[in-house]
Amino acid sequence: GAVVSQHPSWVICKSGTSVKIECRSLDFQATTMFWYRQFPKQSLMLMATSNEGSKATYEQGVEKDKFLINHASLTLSTLTVTSAHPEDSSFYICSKLGAGANSYNEQFFGPGTRLTVL
Amino acid sequence: QKEVEQNSGPLSVPEGAIASLNCTYSDRGSQSFFWYRQYSGKSPELIMFIYSNGDKEDGRFTAQLNKASQYVSLLIRDSQPSDSATYLCAALSGSARQLTFGSGTQLTVLP
Repeated sequence: GAVVSQHPSWVICKSGTSVKIECRSLDFQATTMFWYRQFPKQSLMLMATSNEGSKATYEQGVEKDKFLINHASLTLSTLTVTSAHPEDSSFYICSKLGAGANSYNEQFFGPGTRLTVL
Repeated sequence: QKEVEQNSGPLSVPEGAIASLNCTYSDRGSQSFFWYRQYSGKSPELIMFIYSNGDKEDGRFTAQLNKASQYVSLLIRDSQPSDSATYLCAALSGSARQLTFGSGTQLTVLP
């Protein structure tokens, strides 16, 4: 499968601070990447679709000014949680699409970033 | 509203048995379906996908799709304790290539 890395793997921050999470495609270029959030015992919820060189597309109910997404290169997308609050504590996971003629738009996930806001 | 429904379980099977995981979807325009396995505290990993009616086998795993009934299933043969995880069903639809995930089924394989 495709290789996706995330950094950091976990972060603890104080309420009101901003946290940046990096998502890198290590094996091939990714023009499209996805950001998900997962609360305990719940499924993945798509937050936004990140497109290289253009603005991200946010899902309904996701505040674009709070969750800033930058996809400045073909291998890196970043999610910045601005003015984080305890309710933003969650597992944030990015993914990218498979590539090549045999791809059926399967997504490959990064290892995730666990954010805890105190 | 596109929905993917799964029985949340938990589902327990003895080692060596067949585990059967089920999923239904609401969007008839869904094109492909994916099964992911997620261990506690980890991100999902792709097991297999299916896009044509019928069965698709990969090792101990068999995915089944019935578009008329809007039903997808995953069979795990010779279940092992290491198969204990949450299994997520996802459907692909629309030009945005986005996945809609079910809530997942927790599987426990008892030694």
